[in-house]
Amino acid sequence: GIQVEQSPPDLILQEGANSTLRCNFSDSVNNLQWFHQNPWGQLINLFYIPSGTKQNGRLSATTVATERYSLLYISSSQTTDSGVYFCAVGAGNNRKLIWGLGTSLAVNP
Amino acid sequence: DAGVIQSPRHEVTEMGQEVTLRCKPISGHDYLFWYRQTMMRGLELLIYFNNNVPIDDSGMPEDRFSAKMPNASFSTLKIQPSEPRDSAVYFCASRGSTDTQYFGPGTRLTVL
Repeated sequence: GIQVEQSPPDLILQEGANSTLRCNFSDSVNNLQWFHQNPWGQLINLFYIPSGTKQNGRLSATTVATERYSLLYISSSQTTDSGVYFCAVGAGNNRKLIWGLGTSLAVNP
Repeated sequence: DAGVIQSPRHEVTEMGQEVTLRCKPISGHDYLFWYRQTMMRGLELLIYFNNNVPIDDSGMPEDRFSAKMPNASFSTLKIQPSEPRDSAVYFCASRGSTDTQYFGPGTRLTVL
């Protein structure tokens, strides 16, 4: 099956810093989503981005499907950005998502 | 819309007891997913439904776990009998015409 690897596993930032999170996947996908799990456990969908680039405020994401990776950019980080960021992918007609282990982000004031 | 609703939010039970977790998907969504999250194994898909029909239950760990979706607005995940290793956060998610999945707040299960 498809393997999903996220890097780095952990990241500590000072408020205001920028960061890039990476998601590598081992096979062609037709579904890729980025999620944020906040410190209270709630999972929020950030982007549905099987290819191309999207932006939402201080967050943006780029997926290069031919090279099997996706990047999540966080600019001017805030303490509320803390939590775990997950990448999840899907392929074919199966609607299940394969999840990475996440990047744990801590933004310090 | 109220989003995906799960109940209970917390459940503490003793080994051997039956546990039933409940989920109400977003109205109009035709896919429903049950996930389990633990520190050791991360997020695992247990089962998903399309139009109330189970499509893929390959993630259900063993016969002690069962899931039903009697109608478009309600699903249950049952564990009988429960064991301490079932302790986890169980999430329900739904999706509609797009591939975006929307998660409920989760049920934190502790089996003593």
